[in-house]
Amino acid sequence: DAGITQSPRYKITETGRQVTLMCHQTWSHSYMFWYRQDLGHGLRLIYYSAAADITDKGEVPDGYVVSRSKTENFPLTLESATRSQTSVYFCASSEGTGTGANVLTFGAGSRLTVL
Amino acid sequence: QKEVEQNSGPLSVPEGAIASLNCTYSDRVSQSFFWYRQYSGKSPELIMSIYSNGDKEDGRFTAQLNKASQYVSLLIRDSQPSDSATYLCAGRQGGSEKLVFGKGTKLTVNP
Repeated sequence: DAGITQSPRYKITETGRQVTLMCHQTWSHSYMFWYRQDLGHGLRLIYYSAAADITDKGEVPDGYVVSRSKTENFPLTLESATRSQTSVYFCASSEGTGTGANVLTFGAGSRLTVL
Repeated sequence: QKEVEQNSGPLSVPEGAIASLNCTYSDRVSQSFFWYRQYSGKSPELIMSIYSNGDKEDGRFTAQLNKASQYVSLLIRDSQPSDSATYLCAGRQGGSEKLVFGKGTKLTVNP
């Protein structure tokens, strides 16, 4: 299916466990982003990537790790989950240039609960 | 000052009325601005983008940008109950491809 897909859609884990959220896009967009959305905070950028093997921190990167070995995939790993990482996580992508520059298209989201 | 700030809302309007959503931004945000709509439990979807001063119209939606006042707004004419959602204002962080978002304004359109 064309588009941007996230998995899992729902995840419950325990404090201290490692969790990986997957993101896959079929448009060959250069840029990919991870945001978290929490009540009272809105969408906050965790990490983003301009291309394969190029990643950079956003506003709230602590406790998260990303990689981008292929253009289409951008997994987000919580190395040791904490309760404060309970949130809805959105992956997004954009062309990065031309008329589509900065226009983000979002995945459906992954709701993570850390007990 | 937060990079992008929105009226916290919630905003409630009757069906058929004009809904006005507002957003201000700091000096760290520039050039490109976007309005996203987010239904409860869903992901944000782009409604409008605006890059230059003035108004941009698309159907019932009008985006307005005033760079001198650092102000972006979204007007929804003839509001419908299906417009009930949270509206997110976003701007491009200067010198990067990153978008920063406001906290969103929840709009309810009452039949």
